[in-house]
Amino acid sequence: DGGITQSPKYLFRKEGQNVTLSCEQNLNHDAMYWYRQDPGQGLRLIYYSQIVNDFQKGDIAEGYSVSREKKESFPLTVTSAQKNPTAFYLCASSIASSLRTNQPQHFGDGTRLSIL
Amino acid sequence: GQQVMQIPQYQHVQEGEDFTTYCNSSTTLSNIQWYKQRPGGHPVFLIQLVKSGEVKKQKRLTFQFGEAKKNSSLHITATQTTDVGTYFCAGRPGTASKLTFGTGTRLQVTL
Repeated sequence: DGGITQSPKYLFRKEGQNVTLSCEQNLNHDAMYWYRQDPGQGLRLIYYSQIVNDFQKGDIAEGYSVSREKKESFPLTVTSAQKNPTAFYLCASSIASSLRTNQPQHFGDGTRLSIL
Repeated sequence: GQQVMQIPQYQHVQEGEDFTTYCNSSTTLSNIQWYKQRPGGHPVFLIQLVKSGEVKKQKRLTFQFGEAKKNSSLHITATQTTDVGTYFCAGRPGTASKLTFGTGTRLQVTL
């Protein structure tokens, strides 16, 4: 079955700790994205990658880091510099977008991160 | 800051009533997508509109893209309890290469 797998479903972070959220897709998509969702604020883009070994900052990249060493994988690290990490994190993927249109994004089930 | 706004933030309707959510951008959008997120779930793609004035229908759902490509709407006719969820628009403003999601409209439907 093709899809996007995010793990873990729930994650707790201690003060000063870095945590890494996993995102794996077997849809053969070139582009992958990380969003943060807070109540009443919609989805905000953290980082995105349009091709392996390349990624760009989104609107709220501070306190986060990513890597894209494999096409299938786009892990997100929430660093201790992110002072308000409690949120629902969604990973998505799509085939490459053109200059005129964007391709539909397919989302994983998300990871809920909380501070201990 | 946020360039794509949606209204209303929340709407509660009786089953069978119609529902409309509006998406407004401060800049021209090259295209717009709509997603639905069920409670506790993840966003699921519904449709994409590209042309000025475009109208598309999916059963009871009607999607419109404004003539100036700065606004869009989603109208649901005769809502059902299965329509419950948050509806997001996502547009590509100006010369940006990425989508910007709207703030979402949460729909509650009761019998």
